Amino acid sequence: QQPVQSPQAVILREGEDAVINCSSSKALYSVHWYRQKHGEAPVFLMILLKGGEQKGHEKISASFNEKKQQSSLYLTASQLSYSGTYFCGTELNNQGGKLIFGQGTELSVKP
Amino acid sequence: DAGVIQSPRHEVTEMGQEVTLRCKPISGHNSLFWYRQTMMRGLELLIYFNNNVPIDDSGMPEDRFSAKMPNASFSTLKIQPSEPRDSAVYFCASSLRLTGGNEQFFGPGTRLTVL
Repeated sequence: QQPVQSPQAVILREGEDAVINCSSSKALYSVHWYRQKHGEAPVFLMILLKGGEQKGHEKISASFNEKKQQSSLYLTASQLSYSGTYFCGTELNNQGGKLIFGQGTELSVKP
Repeated sequence: DAGVIQSPRHEVTEMGQEVTLRCKPISGHNSLFWYRQTMMRGLELLIYFNNNVPIDDSGMPEDRFSAKMPNASFSTLKIQPSEPRDSAVYFCASSLRLTGGNEQFFGPGTRLTVL
């Protein structure tokens, strides 16, 4: 049931782009994206609920495919502050907000 | 506004001792979640409450773990007796559950070390 994230780690130079994927074997109710910096708590980025949805702003956005089994997080023109571990959390159904998190993608942005 | 408050922030104890972790959710939130994070197992949901009622405790590792939510502003996670493999960061999160797909706000976590 745990979603699969890829890649596990990525190193970027400032200004480069990255895509992080989150895949489930089952159709999902929703996908949540969080970022966690070392030694800190996860911080919410966005939620996607509808198949085919795209959300976010110019720099950080996400999509949810039509089958609601895959989501991607897009980081554009990365900044040093984007460094951290990105997690997707998936809800299988609309029951109480139970999230199952992927193993995380460690993103390092270098000057 | 204050976010989710957890105490203690760090706890070092010896194997066999009882450990109690505390959480105060954001005022007005009606859902509360306890997570455990380790390098090996990642971020795992242990138990969650809606309107102070435990909904799903399938993530609780074993009977040594118990959680309570006596009112809307307080929850505890207890480990008795503690073991070295319980060493982890324990997060509490809360959300305002309306129709579904609601943002969870995480507390700063309690770093537990069991010697």
